[in-house]
Amino acid sequence: KAGVTQTPRYLIKTRGQQVTLSCSPISGHRSVSWYQQTPGQGLQFLFEYFSETQRNKGNFPGRFSGRQFSNSRSEMNVSTLELGDSALYLCASRRGYNTGELFFGEGSRLTVL
Amino acid sequence: GQQVMQIPQYQHVQEGEDFTTYCNSSTTLSNIQWYKQRPGGHPVFLIQLVKSGEVKKQKRLTFQFGEAKKNSSLHITATQTTDVGTYFCAGRGQGGSEKLVFGKGTKLTVNP
Repeated sequence: KAGVTQTPRYLIKTRGQQVTLSCSPISGHRSVSWYQQTPGQGLQFLFEYFSETQRNKGNFPGRFSGRQFSNSRSEMNVSTLELGDSALYLCASRRGYNTGELFFGEGSRLTVL
Repeated sequence: GQQVMQIPQYQHVQEGEDFTTYCNSSTTLSNIQWYKQRPGGHPVFLIQLVKSGEVKKQKRLTFQFGEAKKNSSLHITATQTTDVGTYFCAGRGQGGSEKLVFGKGTKLTVNP
């Protein structure tokens, strides 16, 4: 079966712009989590959505937001981009809320200039 | 909030040597998961430990969960070049709404 699909895979933005990243989970998976990965900080949790509701949120500023649609697809948005937002953004899905293994996508690599 | 510390940050070994990475949580965990991320790839689930003192083996990999459910380790016997990558632990606190917190990972390089 198809894995977790993230788009776009690569993107370059400038400071102050905004960006929207998309994630399509594995069929049947209703939970989608987002992580920011940087060389120095590892995997930092952004948020988890289940059944269109945000169930958990990490310690990121309000510029980072997300949503989940009725088909379980999810988007995350970062507004007013800063240089420090350059990172690999990973989406992960799992069948249930807060349980089970995470299946990660390939990630969206964001570069902010 | 819950913190998960992982050491060492880097480990370089000769092929055939053993390797161990350790994970410690500031709070008692309900379970712990381990993931491997190959260079340029995404994290892939290896295993989940749930019970106090649990030990699980996958071929050359041995995973342990501490008695107090606050620490865990991954040991690789006789490393191979295919073991190269970053190994992450991820712990979930007790309580139904606790999020999964990842350690910063141990990057393993293997010299053939």
